[in-house]
Amino acid sequence: GQQLNQSPQSMFIQEGEDVSMNCTSSSIFNTWLWYKQDPGEGPVLLIALYKAGELTSNGRLTAQFGITRKDSFLNISASIPSDVGIYFCAGSARNRDDKIIFGKGTRLHILP
Amino acid sequence: DTGVSQDPRHKITKRGQNVTFRCDPISEHNRLYWYRQTLGQGPEFLTYFQNEAQLEKSRLLSDRFSAERPKGSFSTLEIQRTEQGDSAMYLCASMETGGNQPQHFGDGTRLSIL
Repeated sequence: GQQLNQSPQSMFIQEGEDVSMNCTSSSIFNTWLWYKQDPGEGPVLLIALYKAGELTSNGRLTAQFGITRKDSFLNISASIPSDVGIYFCAGSARNRDDKIIFGKGTRLHILP
Repeated sequence: DTGVSQDPRHKITKRGQNVTFRCDPISEHNRLYWYRQTLGQGPEFLTYFQNEAQLEKSRLLSDRFSAERPKGSFSTLEIQRTEQGDSAMYLCASMETGGNQPQHFGDGTRLSIL
């Protein structure tokens, strides 16, 4: 079945540093999504991307939909303690109403 | 808009028992999705409804699992004869077909099988 390869699996950074994570697929996706999940809670949408090449920002977060439709990245600038959590890339292969395929997540740790 | 609501938040039961979870989607969202998330993994799709019709089921949804959305509003997910491997977080999401927002998730029901 379709799979998303998300990297890195985990990151340890200092507060104030920038963060970059990415996601690749062996097949084309028509929608790329980035979610954040805190312990004991459901995923919360950060950014949605619907067009190849699209670059979208949400505050300190920036994400891009790769031109090949097989990859996406998420950048976080000037990290703060509340950025700690698990970040998931996700996508749907058909239309934006379709089921979502998730990556395995990037666990972000911020060192004191 | 009160968000997607799931009940209960936690369920502990003995192996072999039946359990039922409920999901109340965002009002007027016609699509409702169920996902399962095990520790250290991303959510995996189980099934989805458009109104009351169940349109797709994953291979993960064994014959012990059944989902319903009888009136096209809330949905229930039942697991019969639970097994150790059923321990997971069960997430519900909803969206409006053709809308400009992707799926919104509830906070899930965490199932623990003793």
